Amino acid sequence: ILNVEQSPQSLHVQEGDSTNFTCSFPSSNFYALHWYRWETAKSPEALFVMTLNGDEKKKGRISATLNTKEGYSYLYIKGSQPEDSATYLCAFISDYKLSFGAGTTVTVRA
Amino acid sequence: KAGVTQTPRYLIKTRGQQVTLSCSPISGHRSVSWYQQTPGQGLQFLFEYFSETQRNKGNFPGRFSGRQFSNSRSEMNVSTLELGDSALYLCASSQRATSNTGELFFGEGSRLTVL
Repeated sequence: ILNVEQSPQSLHVQEGDSTNFTCSFPSSNFYALHWYRWETAKSPEALFVMTLNGDEKKKGRISATLNTKEGYSYLYIKGSQPEDSATYLCAFISDYKLSFGAGTTVTVRA
Repeated sequence: KAGVTQTPRYLIKTRGQQVTLSCSPISGHRSVSWYQQTPGQGLQFLFEYFSETQRNKGNFPGRFSGRQFSNSRSEMNVSTLELGDSALYLCASSQRATSNTGELFFGEGSRLTVL
């Protein structure tokens, strides 16, 4: 079992504020890192698939960076909106297996 | 384009019984993977099938098994159910095998309760 850690476990953000959180993973045998957003009562939805050290991906107000040498990825939400409230999962792929972190639950207060 | 469909959505079983869950992937997707989520746990990888072959398997006992059919539909089976098997079981499909960085498309899950 690969140790994929996400921090913080949860955070509360005021509408309009920006926030970020971390996914840490083993720095050896890296193949890819996925980010997913999981809203209550819905299915997890893919945000990004990142494969190269230094990758930066952006989707609307959400962006992510990747550092494979030190084993971490950051997810940023700019100008948080209530619809950004969800659990954000990262998943690390190595040796043909995918390991999920426990997630960061973001609650955006209006 | 229809999404990933899982059936049944909810089911209740008793200890010792067995259960079969079904997953129909997005048309054209050849990879189906299965995950278990229990309270307080992240998604735990069960297994992945690609073109009817099991590509890899997570750290679950042999009571958990699966298969994939020629139309890419997949089933997972849990035999001799235990209380700890109560969980949300998610399947996900992808055009490419997970090892090829294929983005996953998830179903809504099957919620199993074992009494």
